[in-house]
Amino acid sequence: GAVVSQHPSWVICKSGTSVKIECRSLDFQATTMFWYRQFPKQSLMLMATSNEGSKATYEQGVEKDKFLINHASLTLSTLTVTSAHPEDSSFYICSALPYEQYFGPGTRLTVT
Amino acid sequence: QKEVEQNSGPLSVPEGAIASLNCTYSDRGSQSFFWYRQYSGKSPELIMSIYSNGDKEDGRFTAQLNKASQYVSLLIRDSQPSDSATYLCAVNSGGSNYKLTFGKGTLLTVNP
Repeated sequence: GAVVSQHPSWVICKSGTSVKIECRSLDFQATTMFWYRQFPKQSLMLMATSNEGSKATYEQGVEKDKFLINHASLTLSTLTVTSAHPEDSSFYICSALPYEQYFGPGTRLTVT
Repeated sequence: QKEVEQNSGPLSVPEGAIASLNCTYSDRGSQSFFWYRQYSGKSPELIMSIYSNGDKEDGRFTAQLNKASQYVSLLIRDSQPSDSATYLCAVNSGGSNYKLTFGKGTLLTVNP
């Protein structure tokens, strides 16, 4: 069964606005969660590692001021795409330790 | 730069045949290896994991790992049209590094 859920499953927003995506662990506490991004016809790329109670760790090339991560509880991490642009349109997927090999259902973001 | 290489395909096989998917990786220290199936518009679904050299079988799926050759493969026996999807190979360096590095995926089409 699923180990993490995501909300929303899809979202459309206008360029310049911000959008928040949630990742929740189901029936377990997750001190570490991972955020991946998948552009069309491409593979998954790790964006950042979310740590409960501390700052997220971002992969090289990912703008930390644009992709704000908040891991305020042991079951919830949020990714906020600030001032979204069409090039941020992508499929955002999360996972969580100790089940890091199992992915959430994903959130498809379309920025118009 | 750690890399995971897959033949992008498309790979087309008739129903009932064996589909063979291949993956090579550059990091000789890699310890965990995963195969995912991803249907269009959906999140990747873990179908096989393998950690030691040799074969691992699960139903119609067999994963093969050869660390000396830095090669991992997935065989799908008695292929079904429902197996038509993109198959992603992912590698983890192990230890305290939980980052998964993905290949670009191989598109498999099983023809009825």
